[in-house]
Amino acid sequence: QVQLVQSGAEVKEPGASVKLSCRASGYTFSTLDINWVRQAPGQGLEWMGWMNPSMGLTGYAQKFQDRVTMTRDISINTAYMELSSLRPEDTAIYYCARGVFQGFDFWGQGSLVTVSS
Amino acid sequence: QAVLTQPSSLSASPGAAVNVTCTLRSGINVGTYRIYWYQQKPGSPPQYLLKYKSSSDYQYGSGIPSRFSGSKDASANAGILVISGLQSEDEADYYCLIWHNNAYVFGTGTAVTVL
Repeated sequence: QVQLVQSGAEVKEPGASVKLSCRASGYTFSTLDINWVRQAPGQGLEWMGWMNPSMGLTGYAQKFQDRVTMTRDISINTAYMELSSLRPEDTAIYYCARGVFQGFDFWGQGSLVTVSS
Repeated sequence: QAVLTQPSSLSASPGAAVNVTCTLRSGINVGTYRIYWYQQKPGSPPQYLLKYKSSSDYQYGSGIPSRFSGSKDASANAGILVISGLQSEDEADYYCLIWHNNAYVFGTGTAVTVL
């Protein structure tokens, strides 16, 4: 069965960076995009960007263009999302989600990132 | 004006039918979009329910009960998630999603309460 397993919770100070991982299993990792979505406490879902594991191509939401980097290690079926210059408003649960035609089907369990001094 | 607007909350009694609307901003034609729907319960990631573009182009997520279905209202420029025969376990937040201008956009979210 398809599974996306994410790394654990992180606590960071303002100005730091965080790198989260998302390990895929149950399908051929290289064939489908991995997207990253975040959800601030009590708020809705916000798409951050996509990464194509086969070619390493990426597309980022304009809001995060200058602060986010999405990469992958195909040898271990893992996608990564790094967000830099963290600020308190980046406190959120970050999800990875498998991309299918114009949408997402399977989601990871989420990684809580807390930004606080 | 948000690209996708949903009612912030809806409530209904068990057994009732609920329509969760996802209204597209003026100038964006609902007919051209494939709309995905997700259910999210507290403390859990979103779960894929279904995608709907037309009566001949739709798909349900694995294991999703048949009481969930999708449709569109062209006159209202909206996608609709229909929950028929509402059950207590349907109490959750619901989000729509589209691919628009080379970016994914989520709806504002609807909290459905079962009375």
